[in-house]
Amino acid sequence: EVRLVQSGADVKKPGDSLKISCKASGYSFTTYWIGWVRQMPGKGLEWMGSIYPGDSDTTYSPSFQGQVTISVDTSISTAYLQWTSLKAWDTAIYFCARGLYGSGSVYFDYWGQGTPVTVSS
Amino acid sequence: EIVLTQSPGTLSLSPGERATLSCRASQSVGSTYLAWYQQKPGQAPRLLIYDASSRATGIPDRFSGSGSGTDFSLTISRLEPEDFGVYYCQQYGSSPGTFGQGTKVEIK
Repeated sequence: EVRLVQSGADVKKPGDSLKISCKASGYSFTTYWIGWVRQMPGKGLEWMGSIYPGDSDTTYSPSFQGQVTISVDTSISTAYLQWTSLKAWDTAIYFCARGLYGSGSVYFDYWGQGTPVTVSS
Repeated sequence: EIVLTQSPGTLSLSPGERATLSCRASQSVGSTYLAWYQQKPGQAPRLLIYDASSRATGIPDRFSGSGSGTDFSLTISRLEPEDFGVYYCQQYGSSPGTFGQGTKVEIK
């Protein structure tokens, strides 16, 4: 059974750093993409970026390039999304998802449960 | 990047009725590189359709997708109570992938 289990909710202050995780199981971690999707409160889905664990090839949406870093640790089948300096508008739910490649980008067939991140002073 | 525009914003229908949702791309997504997702409150999205018309594993056949290039649609032939929620299209024909803003299907 394919499962993506994300780290728990986090509350941070502006300027804090944060790294959230997404642990995969039930499939070969290095042969599927992993993507991250943001959902701000009451809003729609935003494609942030994706990484191919097999070679760490990473693509970011221009809106998120330089704002976050996506990485993986293949030894523990885990993907990460990290910030060095959080802003209030980073408050959102962040989903990881397993990606299948189309042409230029990926779509997502299995999703994690989401990690709520609150940034408030 | 490709902008996806979904319509209508909200669809108010009764169980048993037919729902047709539209997704229009600002430029071609490269044939059929389009997916549809369903999201219910408090839940992660669920993949319904990929490659514009292929149903994902376990998705009932009342869900169907069609279209190519810039114009796509998702049809739910007879709405069931569990089908109410927000539906998103997403293109993966070019980088970055992008989502539409969503169509909410609500009970009339």
